[in-house]
Amino acid sequence: SQELEQSPQSLIVQEGKNLTINCTSSKTLYGLYWYKQKYGEGLIFLMMLQKGGEEKSHEKITAKLDEKKQQSSLHITASQPSHAGIYLCGAGYNNNDMRFGAGTRLTVKP
Amino acid sequence: NAGVMQNPRHLVRRRGQEARLRCSPMKGHSHVYWYRQLPEEGLKFMVYLQKENIIDESGMPKERFSAEFPKEGPSILRIQQVVRGDSAAYFCASSPQQWTGYSNQPQHFGDGTRLSIL
Repeated sequence: SQELEQSPQSLIVQEGKNLTINCTSSKTLYGLYWYKQKYGEGLIFLMMLQKGGEEKSHEKITAKLDEKKQQSSLHITASQPSHAGIYLCGAGYNNNDMRFGAGTRLTVKP
Repeated sequence: NAGVMQNPRHLVRRRGQEARLRCSPMKGHSHVYWYRQLPEEGLKFMVYLQKENIIDESGMPKERFSAEFPKEGPSILRIQQVVRGDSAAYFCASSPQQWTGYSNQPQHFGDGTRLSIL
């Protein structure tokens, strides 16, 4: 079983709609990282959350870490085709390796 | 992703050949991490290196795979006698200091090398 579970696995939304992606950890998180991956490309760092209750925003993307630090959500407001891609949450549990969720594949229909 | 440079972007090898994947970390970064992304699977850690040292290779397959990060030049992930199951995207990440779960900075990723085995 994975330490980080993401839901949903895939999401298709109409342009302009809001959406939420969730990432749940089986253990308390020290830090939670959101990345975006476009098909055939690398990972682009979006945001990092460390404190329980923390919320960060970048353009139309907002990420939150719950108080217990075991779940994070990524919310996109008024989605655009440029938001399409695979969203990955990552976290560190052991010393050196970042563990990742399986990813959420987002499609935005124009 | 301009900071971490990986090459080649695509690599095709026949079964039994060797594959060499290169990674130049971001300027000022001396810590390199290799990950593998199998089709329809998530990213899995392989190895963590500092200059001239392998720090953690707990995710590396025990045979045919090796990694190095010499004093000069890029980090190299080497796969000997490749098999079809080695087909995957291999990503390199870097950080300025040792990354742990407590770090207040992310790992920065390259665009990956897509390895295809015929």
